[in-house]
Amino acid sequence: DSGVTQTPKHLITATGQRVTLRCSPRSGDLSVYWYQQSLDQGLQFLIQYYNGEERAKGNILERFSAQQFPDLHSELNLSSLELGDSALYFCASSTTSGVETLHFGNGTRLTVT
Amino acid sequence: EDKVVQSPLSLVVHEGDTVTLNCSYEVTNFRSLLWYKQEKKAPTFLFMLTSSGIEKKSGRLSSILDKKELFSILNITATQTGDSAVYLCAVGRNSGNTPLVFGKGTRLSVIA
Repeated sequence: DSGVTQTPKHLITATGQRVTLRCSPRSGDLSVYWYQQSLDQGLQFLIQYYNGEERAKGNILERFSAQQFPDLHSELNLSSLELGDSALYFCASSTTSGVETLHFGNGTRLTVT
Repeated sequence: EDKVVQSPLSLVVHEGDTVTLNCSYEVTNFRSLLWYKQEKKAPTFLFMLTSSGIEKKSGRLSSILDKKELFSILNITATQTGDSAVYLCAVGRNSGNTPLVFGKGTRLSVIA
């Protein structure tokens, strides 16, 4: 158990809808990262937060947004969902904002129908 | 554009075989190379390599980095069915606070 908690585990929704994925980092970790994993693309970095502030941004669509709250949990919001958004979304955390070992949650599997 | 390429994409071996997984990279401001094992869910950390030529070992797994040729290998000896997983290679950079860049992974299947 990595200590990173993601909810929900599974989510099935229709195109055009909006969903929120939640992540609680390991105790003491200040950085939260969001990754998207689809079959053909591997793990794609979306966004990183460190102590409440956005630190790095990857190939995150404008329809997606995230934030990190004062208690350090993070939420990833996906809106106007399309079939191609179906994927496994991972949250990871690390102690600092630099490149250290990431600890991954078990992911949220999103299916858009 | 930064790139991490793993080969082969998939591999099927018999229990007891030795396998070598490859990872090559092209990134700016290289800092470290990491290997993760992903079974059904979360990737779990295996090794972090920062220096060339120094082998890291954990049981039957070992890994080494060549910073001149820009690649790393992950060796698994005496494979077991429990080694079946996707093995991910990731590269960390020194520039700013950029995250790990992952390869697409090698899917290893070990059959009895």
